[in-house]
Amino acid sequence: DVKVTQSSRYLVKRTGEKVFLECVQDMDHENMFWYRQDPGLGLRLIYFSYDVKMKEKGDIPEGYSVSREKKERFSLILESASTNQTSMYLCASSLQRGLGYGYTFGSGTRLTVV
Amino acid sequence: AQSVTQLGSHVSVSEGALVLLRCNYSSSVPPYLFWYVQYPNQGLQLLLKYTTGATLVKGINGFEAEFKKSETSFHLTKPSAHMSDAAEYFCAVSENSGYSTLTFGKGTMLLVSP
Repeated sequence: DVKVTQSSRYLVKRTGEKVFLECVQDMDHENMFWYRQDPGLGLRLIYFSYDVKMKEKGDIPEGYSVSREKKERFSLILESASTNQTSMYLCASSLQRGLGYGYTFGSGTRLTVV
Repeated sequence: AQSVTQLGSHVSVSEGALVLLRCNYSSSVPPYLFWYVQYPNQGLQLLLKYTTGATLVKGINGFEAEFKKSETSFHLTKPSAHMSDAAEYFCAVSENSGYSTLTFGKGTMLLVSP
């Protein structure tokens, strides 16, 4: 089975800090995604990547950036953390574009910004 | 643009009763449709998906869903609820094109009482 590993389950950071959330997948998937999950809002797409060094904005990219230097790793960066970025962050990967491939999700990182 | 509406943020059933979770979508092209389940403090797990072919799709843990194009629906059912089914369920849609990402509904929390 594909495994998507998020480096931290829980993080507490201070306002203004630069925060890195790391995600690694082990099955050579082309596509990787970052979502945030908030109660009553479901999952919202922040950024995604279809290839190394390639990135596309999702629905809510403001305040975030990403990095994909290697195929297996996709990092989400909060340039200056704010309290409204307190959330559950979910990383996902899929094999290829199109053809109805579903996503495989990591276990999530619950980030609290104080 | 694609979107998903899940009717009911919470659904309560008794153990052994029928489970019905509703999902309606909008899509300008033929859709791919998915149901995911999320147990507490975990990532999302794929339950089932519809891409093409048979409109009644069977998934894991006894769940199934039927794609009804005329009603733009993809409702999730299970004949007999089990306590272990208590979780949050997400419906998702992607368009049948090479560049489409998954769009999720806001989720439905299934509560199962003894």
